[in-house]
Amino acid sequence: EPEVTQTPSHQVTQMGQEVILRCVPISNHLYFYWYRQILGQKVEFLVSFYNNEISEKSEIFDDQFSVERPDGSNFTLKIRSTKLEDSAMYFCASSEVVRGGELFFGEGSRLTVL
Amino acid sequence: AQSVTQLGSHVSVSEGALVLLRCNYSSSVPPYLFWYVQYPNQGLQLLLKYTSAATLVKGINGFEAEFKKSETSFHLTKPSAHMSDAAEYFCAVSESSGQNFVFGPGTRLSVLP
Repeated sequence: EPEVTQTPSHQVTQMGQEVILRCVPISNHLYFYWYRQILGQKVEFLVSFYNNEISEKSEIFDDQFSVERPDGSNFTLKIRSTKLEDSAMYFCASSEVVRGGELFFGEGSRLTVL
Repeated sequence: AQSVTQLGSHVSVSEGALVLLRCNYSSSVPPYLFWYVQYPNQGLQLLLKYTSAATLVKGINGFEAEFKKSETSFHLTKPSAHMSDAAEYFCAVSESSGQNFVFGPGTRLSVLP
């Protein structure tokens, strides 16, 4: 069964360092998303991406964040200068359609900022 | 803008008992509604979804949910809880005019032997 894969599963970094989280969405999906979940809290929307550009983003997704689809398969989330409060589980998701379609989630990348 | 509330951050039931997890939403347009489950240290797995077809939706693992427009609810039920149902459950809404999902705060289900 096709699945969304994310790497790394866990990354520990120092405050101020740049981090890139990688995702490989399901191959025939066209819509891509990043969500984050701070430990013990709700799953929060960060950004959605379609046709090589951001289609929606939340207030959380400030200038420190960027997304990119560098090739035909990968979808990356970059945090330019990490803060302690960026520590969270980051989930990538993809969907085949934009409305009414389910999101398929990866297993998540746990980011710990020290 | 849409939003989701889940009554009860933690629900405990005995094995074999009825599971009822509550979800209420607000949306200015017809919504799409979803229930996801998250097992410890894992990602989010879709249990079921409502997309304007039948109001009673059956999902995986014996779960079902009923869309009640008058109550703006989409409660999740399972007739008989199993130990393996212990997990975090998230209700989510997606508006027909929008793209992103909004998740509720989640309900942790514990199943007692």
